[in-house]
Amino acid sequence: DIQMTQSPSSLSASVGDRVAITCRASQSISSDLNWYQQKPGKAPRLLIYSASSLQSGVPSRFSGSGSGTDFTLTISSLQPEDFATYYCQQSYALPRTFGHGTKVEFK
Amino acid sequence: QVRLQQWGAGLLKPSETLSLTCGVYGGSFSGHYWTWIRQPPGRGLEWIGEINHSGRTTYKPALNSRLTISVDTSKNLFSLRLTSVTAADTALYYCASDFTYWGQGTLVTVSS
Repeated sequence: DIQMTQSPSSLSASVGDRVAITCRASQSISSDLNWYQQKPGKAPRLLIYSASSLQSGVPSRFSGSGSGTDFTLTISSLQPEDFATYYCQQSYALPRTFGHGTKVEFK
Repeated sequence: QVRLQQWGAGLLKPSETLSLTCGVYGGSFSGHYWTWIRQPPGRGLEWIGEINHSGRTTYKPALNSRLTISVDTSKNLFSLRLTSVTAADTALYYCASDFTYWGQGTLVTVSS
């Protein structure tokens, strides 16, 4: 199985901050990487697919980059509604695997 | 707009069978792949299996002997069946379409 390692596991930030979350795959996954946002009690929401493509309806402050084994989700200016947990997930191979999540908390 | 709605029993005893169904509304059922994901309380997301548009299934290896995912294209439904459940199967279970559209989640608790 492809292991997905996210860092950090949590971070504290303020509204307006630039936030970056990284995800590393245990082998090359090309650009087959998705990012999700999950709020408590809610289903995950797809933010970014194919490493850098913005899902319809997602604010442009979210962006994704990377290919191969190293990927980054960036929030350019953190908004109050962005405090949540973020997960990466590879869709390169079966079984699909998720990172363990990064919780973005209010500083 | 595609909407997924899921249903099934939420409280099971050890050794019983978990059965969940996900209905797909507002979009084409064909040409997609249908996935089940679970999330143990306070923990991260775990992919457990999927079925594609041609009916091919792939399961998480550790669950392969207990898991069945099926689809009923005539009713726009897909289903999960997990036999011989234990407390380790306690989780919030989600269905999803292409990881884009998600069901609301069903909390399944296994307890004697």
